[in-house]
Amino acid sequence: GAVVSQHPSWVICKSGTSVKIECRSLDFQATTMFWYRQFPKQSLMLMATSNEGSKATYEQGVEKDKFLINHASLTLSTLTVTSAHPEDSSFYICSALLVYNEQFFGPGTRLTVL
Amino acid sequence: GENVEQHPSTLSVQEGDSAVIKCTYSDSASNYFPWYKQELGKRPQLIIDIRSNVGEKKDQRIAVTLNKTAKHFSLHITETQPEDSAVYFCAASGGANNLFFGTGTRLTVIP
Repeated sequence: GAVVSQHPSWVICKSGTSVKIECRSLDFQATTMFWYRQFPKQSLMLMATSNEGSKATYEQGVEKDKFLINHASLTLSTLTVTSAHPEDSSFYICSALLVYNEQFFGPGTRLTVL
Repeated sequence: GENVEQHPSTLSVQEGDSAVIKCTYSDSASNYFPWYKQELGKRPQLIIDIRSNVGEKKDQRIAVTLNKTAKHFSLHITETQPEDSAVYFCAASGGANNLFFGTGTRLTVIP
């Protein structure tokens, strides 16, 4: 149990385009999901907390108009990187909160912006 | 917010030896401390966790200790094997369920 999927696993896009990443909890309902970004050889940095049916909470320094988060159902959260630029190239990982504190991670999406 | 520091950044041990990774945290309200193993390009995998109501937890070759007074916790891997080679992250979490990660330790087990 506690499986989280992400789609796509990798994406290459041109600078200026938008990219949507989906995060799904497959066998449980998640009212809270999280989005992280991980640059090469660095740690996971929390970008935002996504709550079903309400606005996401963004960490300091993360542009909410650039990284749009939608959590429309108890099993799906999406992250849209708008007007992507090469500096947005990174590994994006979502997680879903199952019980108190315990998060289960998706497999990640590698975004490359040309 | 929470600040988690992790040491060392790299660690090389001979197969069969023990490895110890240490973390400190700043927020005394944090009460959940998981450890993750991450292989290149993969998701973090939870290997062990500890809550603030206990001081030590063990699972086969892996153990974690927590000192709430000093705000530090450690991961101990005994009888290391080459397949233990990976990057290990500690994390701390409090009432908001957010996870704050340490900077990671690249463990290399030399056969």
